[in-house]
Amino acid sequence: GENVEQHPSTLSVQEGDSAVIKCTYSDSASNYFPWYKQELGKGPQLIIDIRSNVGEKKDQRIAVTLNKTAKHFSLHITETQPEDSAVYFCAASVSGSARQLTFGSGTQLTVLP
Amino acid sequence: GAGVSQSPSNKVTEKGKDVELRCDPISGHTALYWYRQSLGQGLEFLIYFQGNSAPDKSGLPSDRFSAERTGGSVSTLTIQRTQQEDSAVYLCASSLPTGGYTGELFFGEGSRLTVL
Repeated sequence: GENVEQHPSTLSVQEGDSAVIKCTYSDSASNYFPWYKQELGKGPQLIIDIRSNVGEKKDQRIAVTLNKTAKHFSLHITETQPEDSAVYFCAASVSGSARQLTFGSGTQLTVLP
Repeated sequence: GAGVSQSPSNKVTEKGKDVELRCDPISGHTALYWYRQSLGQGLEFLIYFQGNSAPDKSGLPSDRFSAERTGGSVSTLTIQRTQQEDSAVYLCASSLPTGGYTGELFFGEGSRLTVL
């Protein structure tokens, strides 16, 4: 089955700096890669996703890049703000199958004011 | 609008007791998922429903765990003879029918289970 590894497990940045979180996956058939943000006491919420027919996707201050050859994808957050502090999860799946998403272990991002 | 609702939000039980956790998905969402989140860990897949059937039960950790979904809506996760290692937050998510594509999961706030 799919295995997703996520690094780093914790990340602290100064407000205004950029943050990068990286994930690798094992199943070359995976073609859907979402990122979820989980605030304290809440359920995870989708913030951005990418499908394997594109290499990069941006939405305001967040972007995701995908390298299918190397089987890794990354989340980039620019101009970080205190409200970006949360746990971020990457995930991978084979879209169109009944197979569930496989999540990474999460990254606790802290943005220091 | 109503999101995914889970109950109870917190449950403390004694080792050996049975517990039931309930999930009420967003109306119209045909897919329903249960995940387990242990302290400081990622999301561990438990089971997936499409309508009332469960095509993927591969994540259930033991035969003490079972789940059902009725009327294509509410789902119940049952843990029998609870053990301390069952202590975790149990998250439910639902998603729209997407014509074959993996869609966005909408998560509830979870049920925190503590087994003493």
